[in-house]
Amino acid sequence: EVQLVESGGGLVKPGGSLRLSCAASGFIFSNYNMNWVRQTPGKGLEWVASLSGSSTNIYYADSVKGRFTVSRDNAKNSLYLQMNSLRVEDTAVYYCARILPPAAIDYWGQGSLVTVSS
Amino acid sequence: QSVLTQPPSVSAAPGQKVTISCSGSSSNIGNNYISWYQQLPGTAPKLLIYDNSKRPSGIPDRFSGSKSGTSATLGITGLQTGDEADYYCETWDSSLSAWVFGGGTKLTVL
Repeated sequence: EVQLVESGGGLVKPGGSLRLSCAASGFIFSNYNMNWVRQTPGKGLEWVASLSGSSTNIYYADSVKGRFTVSRDNAKNSLYLQMNSLRVEDTAVYYCARILPPAAIDYWGQGSLVTVSS
Repeated sequence: QSVLTQPPSVSAAPGQKVTISCSGSSSNIGNNYISWYQQLPGTAPKLLIYDNSKRPSGIPDRFSGSKSGTSATLGITGLQTGDEADYYCETWDSSLSAWVFGGGTKLTVL
């Protein structure tokens, strides 16, 4: 059974940093490209970043470019999102998600809430 | 403002059919596959349709997808109260080099 479990969310002050982790199981992690997608409370979905299985190809949304870094450790079946210079508008539930090529998401984690507030 | 445009809400009676539209441009829907997701309250999104019209295993054939030009449509027949949810369209935008989502459509089954 495919499982994606996020962790690392919490409350952080504006300008602060946070690192999200996503533990994957039930599939060959290195074979899949992965996404981070976020959802502001009560609002819609927003793509954050994509990372290929070999970490060769990386894409970021303009809203987080230069502040967020996506990475993975295939030996640990884990995906990460390092978030720096956090803003109030980064407050959201962050989902780790597996990509079904070419451009669908077939599995989502349960989400990790990040709250940026003073 | 989302790159993909969806109606904010739709409604229909149990047993009826409803369609949800998703409008984009040649850089996204026009030249890439579209997917649809269902998000029940308090849960993560769930893939309903991928590659414009394919259903993952376990998704009933009451759900269907189609695409024409720069627009796509999700259809749901035999509406049930359990279908009340938010529905999102999604695709890749070749000009933006970004995944893009519609703003979401809230389905109410009256």
